Amino acid sequence: QKEVEQDPGPLSVPEGAIVSLNCTYSNSAFQYFMWYRQYSRKGPELLMYTYSSGNKEDGRFTAQVDKSSKYISLFIRDSQPSDSATYLCAMSDDTGGFKTIFGAGTRLFVKA
Amino acid sequence: DADVTQTPRNRITKTGKRIMLECSQTKGHDRMYWYRQDPGLGLRLIYYSFDVKDINKGEISDGYSVSRQAQAKFSLSLESAIPNQTALYFCATGGQGASGANVLTFGAGSRLTVL
Repeated sequence: QKEVEQDPGPLSVPEGAIVSLNCTYSNSAFQYFMWYRQYSRKGPELLMYTYSSGNKEDGRFTAQVDKSSKYISLFIRDSQPSDSATYLCAMSDDTGGFKTIFGAGTRLFVKA
Repeated sequence: DADVTQTPRNRITKTGKRIMLECSQTKGHDRMYWYRQDPGLGLRLIYYSFDVKDINKGEISDGYSVSRQAQAKFSLSLESAIPNQTALYFCATGGQGASGANVLTFGAGSRLTVL
């Protein structure tokens, strides 16, 4: 079983829709939860991150962490065609090991 | 210039050849990483380095070696390339985020095809 599970999609939505992207994980030591966005032929770039449980909002993006269920989500409001990309969840513990484990990535298409 | 530069961007080679992928960074970070990306498998860690004298194996290090020539340079070698090493390779540096998170900055990737 992988440490981090993520549905690879693809997920196709109309412009303006609310998008929900999710990951589950098995390692209870994970404390940092990150979302990276990767455009075609580019390297991943950090979108946002949270520490431990709770929500974090940044513009149209909201990250949620539920440690009791080992489940994290990224919500995109008012989705735009420019949001079309692959979204990778990533996690690490806080032991100082600095190893980051990634999900497989969900490919998102937002249609104009 | 990009914070993390990878060369070459694309390479086609034959089975058994030695290949080196190079990475340099201007972030000033001590931590550097090599990841491999395959469709449906996401990013998998090959090797990571916390400083010039500290190199560690990741989850898929077999068939690969690395060299940390300086704080800013971290190269990945395939001593004898095989077709299942065909993939997209990413170098990354790790910096400290506001809450202590290890925030990765990636290069643009090196696409390697082994025939």
